[in-house]
Amino acid sequence: RKEVEQDPGPFNVPEGATVAFNCTYSNSASQSFFWYRQDCRKEPKLLMSVYSSGNEDGRFTAQLNRASQYISLLIRDSKLSDSATYLCVVNDGGGADGLTFGKGTHLIIQP
Amino acid sequence: NAGVTQTPKFQVLKTGQSMTLQCAQDMNHEYMSWYRQDPGMGLRLIHYSVGAGITDQGEVPNGYNVSRSTTEDFPLRLLSAAPSQTSVYFCASKGQRIYGYTFGSGTRLTVV
Repeated sequence: RKEVEQDPGPFNVPEGATVAFNCTYSNSASQSFFWYRQDCRKEPKLLMSVYSSGNEDGRFTAQLNRASQYISLLIRDSKLSDSATYLCVVNDGGGADGLTFGKGTHLIIQP
Repeated sequence: NAGVTQTPKFQVLKTGQSMTLQCAQDMNHEYMSWYRQDPGMGLRLIHYSVGAGITDQGEVPNGYNVSRSTTEDFPLRLLSAAPSQTSVYFCASKGQRIYGYTFGSGTRLTVV
């Protein structure tokens, strides 16, 4: 079975701090990579795609290491509103774009 | 633009009952999928469709049926509900050339 592994946390981080978490994936043929955000009892929402060269969206930076098969997400200057579960998602290119979800990393930003 | 609409939001079923979870999208997306999310588990793919008239099984299809008679609608049918099907069900859609799926707000199903 194709696996996407994440540290479930929780990560307790003070407001304003920088936090980073990684995920690893098992399928070396995986084609594209995403971070989704899921708030408690809500649906997942796309946070950002992850590109091989690394990419940034405001306070969020995502990086991909294909050789080691891991993906990272860095959040700078964390806000209370960043508290959520972050899902690492890998597209294996199968049916319906073959998404495999990690179980998520729970982040709590503390005032 | 409503996006992906799921109904009902909550449902309690008795073991052995059948029901249909509705999913509709108004974005003219080709791809639609059904996932279930259980505590401590990642989202798992139940069934998916790459276009009207085309469906296929995902990782956990047993006990569920789907059909895709139109681009907009992708209902999920529980044939004979079991307590193991207690879960949160998400429908999602995306266009062929669009990164990332748009999810509905989910249906919380309890089977007693």
